[in-house]
Amino acid sequence: QVQMVESGGGVVQPGRSLRLSCEASGFTFSNYGMHWVRQAPGKGLEWVAVIWYDGSNKYYADSVKGRFTASRDNSRNTLYLQMDSLRVEDTAVYYCAGYQSHVAGAFDPWGQGTLVTVSS
Amino acid sequence: DIQMTQSPSSLSASVGDRVTITCRASQSISTYLNWYQQKPGKAPKVLIYGASSLWSGVPSRFRGSGSGTDFTLTISSLQPEDVATYYCQQSDSNFRTFGPGTKVEIK
Repeated sequence: QVQMVESGGGVVQPGRSLRLSCEASGFTFSNYGMHWVRQAPGKGLEWVAVIWYDGSNKYYADSVKGRFTASRDNSRNTLYLQMDSLRVEDTAVYYCAGYQSHVAGAFDPWGQGTLVTVSS
Repeated sequence: DIQMTQSPSSLSASVGDRVTITCRASQSISTYLNWYQQKPGKAPKVLIYGASSLWSGVPSRFRGSGSGTDFTLTISSLQPEDVATYYCQQSDSNFRTFGPGTKVEIK
């Protein structure tokens, strides 16, 4: 079945780095653009980044621009988010989500989320 | 960036009630507006895409409408399983943005 499984979350000190992964199965990953979305504890959804289906374009929210880098390996059906210079305010559950233009870019499928805690 | 607002921020209604949530964009986004439902501890699920198209498998009591800057999500007959937070999201820009959410509870 369609599935996306995230990994790589954990507790990290401010200023350090972390890399999240999102492995897709059950659908043609290379046909989907991919987003990262985060949700701080008790807060709403915040869009983080998008990478096009072929990796040719990437866009980032101002809050993470210059610190986070999205990438993908279509041969491994895997999406990545490299997070550098982490801040306390980056603490959140991070979700990966796919999209296709023909359904107005709606986000589906979603991963289950992975928790990143930035704390000293 | 395109800013999204929602109202109300929360509501409480009885089972069977008609519930309406509104979403406004800071600039015209045509019909590039999607609605999501999120239950506690779970990833969001898409309900409506393109402002008014029902996502596969979503009950027909959910309906979306609007275009330009003003949009509405209506639940025609609220059910206990609809308790959740609902988010609108624009997909007109590469820099996607979500509304702040509307928490729906049962009275």
